[in-house]
Amino acid sequence: SQQGEEDPQALSIQEGENATMNCSYKTSINNLQWYRQNSGRGLVHLILIRSNEREKHSGRLRVTLDTSKKSSSLLITASRAADTASYFCATDRRGGSNYKLTFGKGTLLTVNP
Amino acid sequence: KAGVTQTPRYLIKTRGQQVTLSCSPISGHRSVSWYQQTPGQGLQFLFEYFSETQRNKGNFPGRFSGRQFSNSRSEMNVSTLELGDSALYLCASSLGFQRSSTDTQYFGPGTRLTVL
Repeated sequence: SQQGEEDPQALSIQEGENATMNCSYKTSINNLQWYRQNSGRGLVHLILIRSNEREKHSGRLRVTLDTSKKSSSLLITASRAADTASYFCATDRRGGSNYKLTFGKGTLLTVNP
Repeated sequence: KAGVTQTPRYLIKTRGQQVTLSCSPISGHRSVSWYQQTPGQGLQFLFEYFSETQRNKGNFPGRFSGRQFSNSRSEMNVSTLELGDSALYLCASSLGFQRSSTDTQYFGPGTRLTVL
């Protein structure tokens, strides 16, 4: 079963707007990661946030983590058409292996020019 | 550094056949993980190899197997193919040392397998 569940399943915005995607998970984790996947291609690692961190920034990306609610959000600011992709959160279960990631089903983001 | 490479990129097989997929990790990486991606089930972990040993395993039937060579290259084999095995198979490599819980996995472009 999926550990992470992204919300919404699909999101369509205009270029320049911000995009927020959410991820919920079920068990305690070591880390939570966000990946991007362009249509039918490999995944690109975006950002990793540790379970003892609350917020992390990388360029136009901002990730928050609330372990009490078992949820995370990914914010992409000033979106561009090139940000059009599917975004996945992935977790590694606490006490488990960080090489056995559990992915959500993803949010399909469409940025319209 | 060259990225993770997977061969072949596309493959068409018929039910009952077997298939072998290959993954070459980033130079210096010793861990290779395999994932299956389908529209219905999403991304699911198959197994992970480190230093030629299977270190982690997902919940897939025994028809799915893998191995890793001394140069860290990995192969995945699926025997007696079923229609439901049609998927994008992704491999990911990382340094592999578990003392670092933030070891990032780098994914290859995937092999698109179609079973007819």
